[in-house]
Amino acid sequence: RKEVEQDPGPFNVPEGATVAFNCTYSNSASQSFFWYRQDCRKEPKLLMSVYSSGNEDGRFTAQLNRASQYISLLIRDSKLSDSATYLCAVNIGVRAGRRALTFGSGTRLQVQP
Amino acid sequence: DTAVSQTPKYLVTQMGNDKSIKCEQNLGHDTMYWYKQDSKKFLKIMFSYNNKELIINETVPNRFSPKSPDKAHLNLHINSLELGDSAVYFCASSPYVLAGQGWVDTQYFGPGTRLTVL
Repeated sequence: RKEVEQDPGPFNVPEGATVAFNCTYSNSASQSFFWYRQDCRKEPKLLMSVYSSGNEDGRFTAQLNRASQYISLLIRDSKLSDSATYLCAVNIGVRAGRRALTFGSGTRLQVQP
Repeated sequence: DTAVSQTPKYLVTQMGNDKSIKCEQNLGHDTMYWYKQDSKKFLKIMFSYNNKELIINETVPNRFSPKSPDKAHLNLHINSLELGDSAVYFCASSPYVLAGQGWVDTQYFGPGTRLTVL
């Protein structure tokens, strides 16, 4: 089983739609959780950190479910500019002597006009 | 005012050559990383350095040698390049700060170096 798993997509949605991505992780010691966005031929850019209490940033909402070991990203009112690959990332953290991200393979989103 | 910068952006070279990629961050972060993104777009950690000390060395051939002359720089030297080394190499850095939700070490990535081995 991969450490971090995502549905690769692509998700093709019309503008204005709501779309949700899930990501599961296998290591219960994981401490930090993130969603990154990666445009074609660019570097990953932090979209949002994911906290136990859930967090929202404009049209984007992230949730963490530690019991089921998954994180989710909800995008409301999709824009054409949201088209990108969304990478889920997990960090086991300092306690495990490791501060590096383990990434999922990414979910491709294509928003159609 | 670039936060994490890498040079070169593109690197095309022959098999068997030795090449280096440089990375610099001006964010004052204490930890730096090298990641490799292969042709299937899978992004994987190679090395991390904390205050010039090697912390993580994943299963990477010893042809790859990172060097950190100071906290702000982490270079990657690759000997005897092979076809399979073709990939995009990303440098990243992170702080370790206490925020409202606990300790956070968000990572910030450089623009990447696209290495093509012929």
